[in-house]
Amino acid sequence: DQQVKQNSPSLSVQEGRISILNCDYTNSMFDYFLWYKKYPAEGPTFLISISSIKDKNEDGRFTVFLNKSAKHLSLHIVPSQPGDSAVYFCAATTYNFNKFYFGSGTKLNVKP
Amino acid sequence: GAVVSQHPSWVICKSGTSVKIECRSLDFQATTMFWYRQFPKQSLMLMATSNEGSKATYEQGVEKDKFLINHASLTLSTLTVTSAHPEDSSFYICSATKGRGDNSPLHFGNGTRLTVT
Repeated sequence: DQQVKQNSPSLSVQEGRISILNCDYTNSMFDYFLWYKKYPAEGPTFLISISSIKDKNEDGRFTVFLNKSAKHLSLHIVPSQPGDSAVYFCAATTYNFNKFYFGSGTKLNVKP
Repeated sequence: GAVVSQHPSWVICKSGTSVKIECRSLDFQATTMFWYRQFPKQSLMLMATSNEGSKATYEQGVEKDKFLINHASLTLSTLTVTSAHPEDSSFYICSATKGRGDNSPLHFGNGTRLTVT
């Protein structure tokens, strides 16, 4: 039973354009959401997070949007750069942080 | 800050032997450590959750006698793959959390590539 889903396994975007990565979840108890970036043979690195009390969080080129009613979050990267090419995972956790659930990842390819 | 060190980064072992992987939080005390496994082109699969001084909690389908987890201190957790077989070959990643209140609550090690021949 996958509680966090990323339905797009891959995304290709031209350099300079916007990349939009999507994530859906099913558990209404989740109240904290995170995005991680992962290169092959490395551990994921944290990008940005959002609490359920917010609907938007921005950090430089990265913005995460949360739609609680739709149980949907998205990561926007503007402008996209070739160095952003990686696999992006969204994750969710409950208030006590005792378990983190990950989506299956979306491989982003930013073309020069 | 919030660095997690995982060692070794890669290991090759023969079938039937055991392999130990260490995960250390270098500059913080981790209330909880998690062990993940990633198959090629697949997601991170949570194997187990460990808290210092208590037994690890294993996810359904993960053999606790095969994947031994020891969380000896607030900065060290180990995963031992016992009697390894080729199907255990995978990428194992540990992570640690300082708990709620941190902007980045889950910090990952760089992973260990295990190849069983």
